[in-house]
Amino acid sequence: AQTVTQSQPEMSVQEAETVTLSCTYDTSESDYYLFWYKQPPSRQMILVIRQEAYKQQNATENRFSVNFQKAAKSFSLKISDSQLGDAAMYFCAYRSARDGGSNYKLTFGKGTLLTVNP
Amino acid sequence: EAEVAQSPRYKITEKSQAVAFWCDPISGHATLYWYRQILGQGPELLVQFQDESVVDDSQLPKDRFSAERLKGVDSTLKIQPAELGDSAMYLCASSDLAGAYNEQFFGPGTRLTVL
Repeated sequence: AQTVTQSQPEMSVQEAETVTLSCTYDTSESDYYLFWYKQPPSRQMILVIRQEAYKQQNATENRFSVNFQKAAKSFSLKISDSQLGDAAMYFCAYRSARDGGSNYKLTFGKGTLLTVNP
Repeated sequence: EAEVAQSPRYKITEKSQAVAFWCDPISGHATLYWYRQILGQGPELLVQFQDESVVDDSQLPKDRFSAERLKGVDSTLKIQPAELGDSAMYLCASSDLAGAYNEQFFGPGTRLTVL
């Protein structure tokens, strides 16, 4: 079974600064997807960024980028130019790339609560 | 923009009572998921539907939990009887098999408190 570990329960960053959230995972599969989800207080979870394991290039979405180290099974999220609206719980998640059935389920880490200080 | 709808948003009940949560996925999404998120933890899958069929309910406590998606559209998750340990956020998500990465879209959740 796959596991996802987020070792930082809480992080804080000054507005306009950069912060990196850590995530490690364990799997025996060679092809999979990794995701970072954002869950603002009292609002629904939204996808921030995704990474396909077969791609060597790290994914980037505006101010959000990842550092994907497949051999180390590490998948960190970097938020540049942090904004007050970035304050939320961030979850790292894993999904098998195999098609069908229960392969589509997401396995989540415990989350990192990010505080952005003005 | 289409969203996943859930109701109620908050539910307080006493232990041994029955509770039910409702989810309406994004129109056309064939796959529907119910996750449970205990405070301080990440969501864990309870049950997954493909249309009206259960694909995975291996983590669903079947002695007290039940889920249905009779017409393959909206879904209901029921707990009877509720226990103190059931206090959690219950999240519904849906995805389109034809979409990229089978991305899951989440609803706002139902926060259950069992007294």
